[in-house]
Amino acid sequence: NAGVTQTPKFRVLKTGQSMTLLCAQDMNHEYMYWYRQDPGMGLRLIHYSVGEGTTAKGEVPDGYNVSRLKKQNFLLGLESAAPSQTSVYFCASRTGLAGGSRETQYFGPGTRLLVL
Amino acid sequence: AQSVTQPDIHITVSEGASLELRCNYSYGATPYLFWYVQSPGQGLQLLLKYFSGDTLVQGIKGFEAEFKRSQSSFNLRKPSVHWSDAAEYFCAVGVRYTGTASKLTFGTGTRLQVTL
Repeated sequence: NAGVTQTPKFRVLKTGQSMTLLCAQDMNHEYMYWYRQDPGMGLRLIHYSVGEGTTAKGEVPDGYNVSRLKKQNFLLGLESAAPSQTSVYFCASRTGLAGGSRETQYFGPGTRLLVL
Repeated sequence: AQSVTQPDIHITVSEGASLELRCNYSYGATPYLFWYVQSPGQGLQLLLKYFSGDTLVQGIKGFEAEFKRSQSSFNLRKPSVHWSDAAEYFCAVGVRYTGTASKLTFGTGTRLQVTL
């Protein structure tokens, strides 16, 4: 049981390049999330999904797109990378049930992205 | 809007000393509260969580936290710190975002340094 995995672990991009970050979970969770972590700012929600085929915007969605074609995978895309997108990206997942411990999100190890 | 404040950016304690990390939240309803720990280069690991009931919750690695509604606080404590506790600690509040999805709002984190 691997939990939440993310690929790649680290990537360097040039401004204007595109890339896709992959998040996979094997816990049969309905909800999945993408966050970015920047120094002094904690984690901020980029996009999230409440189930296969659904996506929605979070707090800082500009410059990113997402897709959830399979329940276990949540992809984050950067169409034209900018230096402001240099960050550490975390994926998380949780069950679709409400209340109590079911609200706990489980995080992947992160992807460190540097945009030059 | 909900918010989480961790007033201490950086704390240094000696190994064996007690520890208290502060967390204050702002949220209109009863919150779900979490503490996560992030070791250097690693993802976020859940330390403990509060949903309801007993306001003193026990977590992993000997940590505990106390929910004080009157003070809107959820401070993390450990009676005797070990060198391996050096990490960054994040407090988070779970709130309803839109529809049925709940999201986590994070504090900016407290970096703990442990001296030998």
